[in-house]
Parts: sequence; structure tokens; C-alpha cells
Amino acid sequence: AQKITQTQPGMFVQEKEAVTLDCTYDTSDPSYGLFWYKQPSSGEMIFLIYQGSYDQQNATEGRYSLNFQKARKSANLVISASQLGDSAMYFCAMREGSGSYNTDKLIFGTGTRLQVFP
Amino acid sequence: GAGVSQSPSNKVTEKGKDVELRCDPISGHTALYWYRQSLGQGLEFLIYFQGNSAPDKSGLPSDRFSAERTGGSVSTLTIQRTQQEDSAVYLCASSFRRGAFFGQGTRLTVV
Repeated sequence: AQKITQTQPGMFVQEKEAVTLDCTYDTSDPSYGLFWYKQPSSGEMIFLIYQGSYDQQNATEGRYSLNFQKARKSANLVISASQLGDSAMYFCAMREGSGSYNTDKLIFGTGTRLQVFP
Repeated sequence: GAGVSQSPSNKVTEKGKDVELRCDPISGHTALYWYRQSLGQGLEFLIYFQGNSAPDKSGLPSDRFSAERTGGSVSTLTIQRTQQEDSAVYLCASSFRRGAFFGQGTRLTVV
């Protein structure tokens, strides 16, 4: 069964606009962590943001924020004020188990290709 | 170094030869993950380590693939009798608590 689902194969956004990349997950474990990564054409995997299942607030890192809706099992990435350099593949990932001490594998969605145009 | 280091960065090998890919994680990171990524595709989970133990080897594609980790640090992924379908980028990540960080990958080409 698919545990991480990214339903948008591709997204377009104009520079300076905000964009939301969708991610839904499936787990019965009450303790888990959610990750977002950026993979530009160079191929490196860049860690963007982390949300623990017990975190009281949505995670934010600069222009990145995570819209965490626990009851709906969604963890959408919001990029504000898009820049041309944001064009890349974006992956959502989940790790089940203790949020503080990793105890399980990290599984990835299929990714969303974001293109930012001027 | 401060980040995850993988070597070699590129490897071209002849079909049927064995290869070893190395991952040097961030110091103190207890979890280590191996993934494979074919061109334009997502990340395929191979194996992960918690310390020196591998609780989940379910992603290894065949018995030609094996991995070990020693001293809770460096890990080696070995592919025996390489096939052309093994050509891909092999990515390693290490993790502790709230972050998981990747190396730059090893691009393996089997000719």
C-alpha cells in the first residue's frame, strides 16, 4: 500500500507567487516524522523541513512552511515568494516510529516537479 | 567533514564485475539509509541501518546486493556480478532525531 502520496506530477508557479505542493500519508503509528526535500537538476537531495507528529505548531524554515493537518493525514509544503531557483523536484517522505529517535526507514513519495516562470 | 560523504562519485564498470560503494555518515548519526534512483525516477529504498544492525533489508533487489555497516559509522553497499539494470545513482543518507541528510550520490554505469 502506498504510504506517501504526491498527486501532482508537475506544478507551475509565477515568480514571487506562493505555491502549495501536496503530500498525504498513511500510518497507524501515532509517532512519526514528515520530511520535505528539494532535488534540483544537479541531483543533490536538499533537506528542507521536518514536522514531528507531536509538534504543536506547523514547521517553518524561511520561505518554506509545512501545512500539517493531522486528522486529514496531509503535510503540504508551502513555498512563499517563489524564485526561479526553486525550480526542482520536490519529495515528501515519512518515517514511522519515535519522533525523537529514528527507529524506522524513511519512505518517499514519487515527487512533484515544480517550475517557476518569470 | 560535516556532511555525508559518498565515494566514488562516479563508477563505470563492466557487466559481471563486482562494485563497492561507500558511505561515510555524519558523525553521531545512528541511522543510515541506502536508496537507488534511476534517471527521472523517485527514490527506491534499498536498506537501512540502526547502528550496525539492518532491521529492514526488504528493498534489496536481489541476492547480488548486500550492505554492511561497521562501528556504527561507515557503510558499504556491494553489488556482485553487476548487470546493466543496476545502472543508477545510489544515494546514502544519515539521520539523527529530526533531520535526515543525503550525500551527493554515486553514479554507477554498467557497460
